[in-house]
Amino acid sequence: GAGVSQSPSNKVTEKGKDVELRCDPISGHTALYWYRQSLGQGLEFLIYFQGNSAPDKSGLPSDRFSAERTGGSVSTLTIQRTQQEDSAVYLCASSLSFMETQYFGPGTRLLVL
Amino acid sequence: GQQLNQSPQSMFIQEGEDVSMNCTSSSIFNTWLWYKQDPGEGPVLLIALYKAGELTSNGRLTAQFGITRKDSFLNISASIPSDVGIYFCAGLYAGGTSYGKLTFGQGTILTVHP
Repeated sequence: GAGVSQSPSNKVTEKGKDVELRCDPISGHTALYWYRQSLGQGLEFLIYFQGNSAPDKSGLPSDRFSAERTGGSVSTLTIQRTQQEDSAVYLCASSLSFMETQYFGPGTRLLVL
Repeated sequence: GQQLNQSPQSMFIQEGEDVSMNCTSSSIFNTWLWYKQDPGEGPVLLIALYKAGELTSNGRLTAQFGITRKDSFLNISASIPSDVGIYFCAGLYAGGTSYGKLTFGQGTILTVHP
């Protein structure tokens, strides 16, 4: 079946604008995760969902970041009033259930000018 | 918080050579994972390790979960040009405030010369 998909694949925005990043997990996967990867760096955990709830939001860098998941499927990561330091690749992963192996999407490359 | 130290940061090798990279942690993990990331792509899972002392192979790849649960290594034998990429270790801890989070190493950039 299809893997994790993310959209858009690339996003260029101006400082101060809001952006929405979308993740479609693998069908049937109940857990969904967001990570951020800055240039040349490893992945930084942001938030995960079990079903529609997010038990752990501690990884979100600031209150400008929020995420939601509806219907136990698609998730949206929203960044308000973007800053240049938000430029990074935002990766989504899903797993069959919590603590199972995570499979990653191709990422959204965000550039804030 | 938990931190993973991955080494080496980069490797330049000749085709056919064997490669070894490792990760050490300041605290224990329940699961160790090794991923490979190609340019413009998300990480792809190579090997998953679930038990201390476990040694697992996947083709030319071999990985081990350290007995102390604080380290893991990945070996690639007889490297080929398509092995080029960034290799990440990741640890998963099922407890405390890190519950469910994957913690990643900084990555090892592998270059293979034909």
